[in-house]
Amino acid sequence: GAVVSQHPSWVICKSGTSVKIECRSLDFQATTMFWYRQFPKQSLMLMATSNEGSKATYEQGVEKDKFLINHASLTLSTLTVTSAHPEDSSFYICSARDTRLNTEAFFGQGTRLTVV
Amino acid sequence: DAKTTQPNSMESNEEEPVHLPCNHSTISGTDYIHWYRQLPSQGPEYVIHGLTSNVNNRMASLAIAEDRKSSTLILHRATLRDAAVYYCILVMGAQKLVFGQGTRLTINP
Repeated sequence: GAVVSQHPSWVICKSGTSVKIECRSLDFQATTMFWYRQFPKQSLMLMATSNEGSKATYEQGVEKDKFLINHASLTLSTLTVTSAHPEDSSFYICSARDTRLNTEAFFGQGTRLTVV
Repeated sequence: DAKTTQPNSMESNEEEPVHLPCNHSTISGTDYIHWYRQLPSQGPEYVIHGLTSNVNNRMASLAIAEDRKSSTLILHRATLRDAAVYYCILVMGAQKLVFGQGTRLTINP
């Protein structure tokens, strides 16, 4: 199946710094990418949806100035957690779809962010 | 978003079939039924999806009720590697995928 590569797989950063997470679709064009956050023992919570070349649409309660999303090409989207704090520590997962084909979504392997 | 209802947990034995149910009574005519599963500390993995007819692939089968208000994911011969959280999601067109709580499947050796 199609592959979505997410990098880094884990990161530890100091409180107040920013962290960038990359999500790449390796063998298909991702017209739409989704970013999720997952806390232990909980389901995935959708943070935002981004379409290539457009501004991201954020879910209610998600701060767009804190979680900056860029989807500049059909194969790359980035999530930047700005001024990270310990409560931002979580498992972040990206997903990509070619919505023109109405096919399934493919997911990255996730990024474990720990803010100390 | 049309919602789905799944049991919180299920248990089965290795090498036996597993039937994972999903209720989606408010499904619309254009909603596809998608199934994904998530192993610990990994991103979700696509399992199968369908619209009206039953579907088979190398991983599983999807049985869709005639009125489409429910569906069942069938693992024909469970292995220990099938232990995961299974999510049933309704997807319409280019819309976002919203995850419910899913079913945690435990496989006993």
